[in-house]
Amino acid sequence: AQKVTQAQTEISVVEKEDVTLDCVYETRDTTYYLFWYKQPPSGELVFLIRRNSFDEQNEISGRYSWNFQKSTSSFNFTITASQVVDSAVYFCDLSRIQGAQKLVFGQGTRLTINP
Amino acid sequence: DTAVSQTPKYLVTQMGNDKSIKCEQNLGHDTMYWYKQDSKKFLKIMFSYNNKELIINETVPNRFSPKSPDKAHLNLHINSLELGDSAVYFCASRPQGRVTEAFFGQGTRLTVV
Repeated sequence: AQKVTQAQTEISVVEKEDVTLDCVYETRDTTYYLFWYKQPPSGELVFLIRRNSFDEQNEISGRYSWNFQKSTSSFNFTITASQVVDSAVYFCDLSRIQGAQKLVFGQGTRLTINP
Repeated sequence: DTAVSQTPKYLVTQMGNDKSIKCEQNLGHDTMYWYKQDSKKFLKIMFSYNNKELIINETVPNRFSPKSPDKAHLNLHINSLELGDSAVYFCASRPQGRVTEAFFGQGTRLTVV
């Protein structure tokens, strides 16, 4: 069975602080994909990043960076110099490559950036 | 053009009624999903279809029946609505054979009173 855990239910920081959202996953598959999605207050789900299990390089996109560590089954997301517009619920997702490719989401982390 | 569109966006109805939510995608994807998001924001899969064929049915009550007339459409019909059915329902699609991100509709907020 696959499982994703986002232990941080809510995080609140002041604007310009750096913040890291944790994601830990469980799977017996040797190959798989990991994703992060953002759900702003308007409610839509926005794709942020995809990472396959073969690629353990960290990725940076502007103020966003992702740290994938297969040894600890973690795929953490850091926002540098946070802004109020980053306030949202963030979801980590694990998808299989073989078989029924359902998205397995973590519980979500509600991030609030205060001015 | 909206890639994945759901109608209606809001639905308020009384207990015991039957209602449907429609979903259409114009991306040419083979796989479509229904997810339920509860008040705590937890996203849980309900159904998945691949080329009109049901491939995932995650212990959803029989009152929920998905219907896929073609691979671009996946509708959700709910019979005898209950208070606990109140949630946001998301439709999503993804191409078969490649694990890309899922493309989500804007969600349907269902309120049962």
